[in-house]
Amino acid sequence: AQSVTQLDSQVPVFEEAPVELRCNYSSSVSVYLFWYVQYPNQGLQLLLKYLSGSTLVKGINGFEAEFNKSQTSFHLRKPSVHISDTAEYFCAVSGNTGGFKTIFGAGTRLFVKA
Amino acid sequence: DTAVSQTPKYLVTQMGNDKSIKCEQNLGHDTMYWYKQDSKKFLKIMFSYNNKELIINETVPNRFSPKSPDKAHLNLHINSLELGDSAVYFCASSLKLRAITNEQFFGPGTRLTVL
Repeated sequence: AQSVTQLDSQVPVFEEAPVELRCNYSSSVSVYLFWYVQYPNQGLQLLLKYLSGSTLVKGINGFEAEFNKSQTSFHLRKPSVHISDTAEYFCAVSGNTGGFKTIFGAGTRLFVKA
Repeated sequence: DTAVSQTPKYLVTQMGNDKSIKCEQNLGHDTMYWYKQDSKKFLKIMFSYNNKELIINETVPNRFSPKSPDKAHLNLHINSLELGDSAVYFCASSLKLRAITNEQFFGPGTRLTVL
């Protein structure tokens, strides 16, 4: 079975500071990994995804994530955050099991302070 | 044009009532989903349909019945609403079921409040 753990429920950070949102996964098969962002009162939208190839994945809005198979991690990073990055961030995993479900983590609330 | 749309955006109702939420996608996708997001933001899949066929039913109470008249629409009907049904319900779609590498496109959500 697949699972996703987001290690921080909330991450407060000052504007223009770097940020890392942590995500660990478990799976017995090859996985595909995603980060989604949910702005207040909106649906989720894709930030980036890892399917194969280069372990460093670049996404929208200056975010990037690194797939680390040995540590089963897929941490999201941004070198300098803006107030507008305040949102809920979800790590997700899908694979060839469980009816092709996508499993979402519990979310990390990023709060950017001025 | 909105890719995945849901109506209504807000729904406030009394316990015991029956209500429906509608979802439409204009992306030409084969697969559609219903998710429930609770007050702690936890997102849990409820149903998945592929080209009008039910694929995933995640042990959701029988009071919840999805209906897909065509592959662009997936509606959710809820009977005998309970307090615990209060949540935000999201519809989503993806290109094809077995293309699991595809991203999901989410609607704006329907906030259901049961009094």
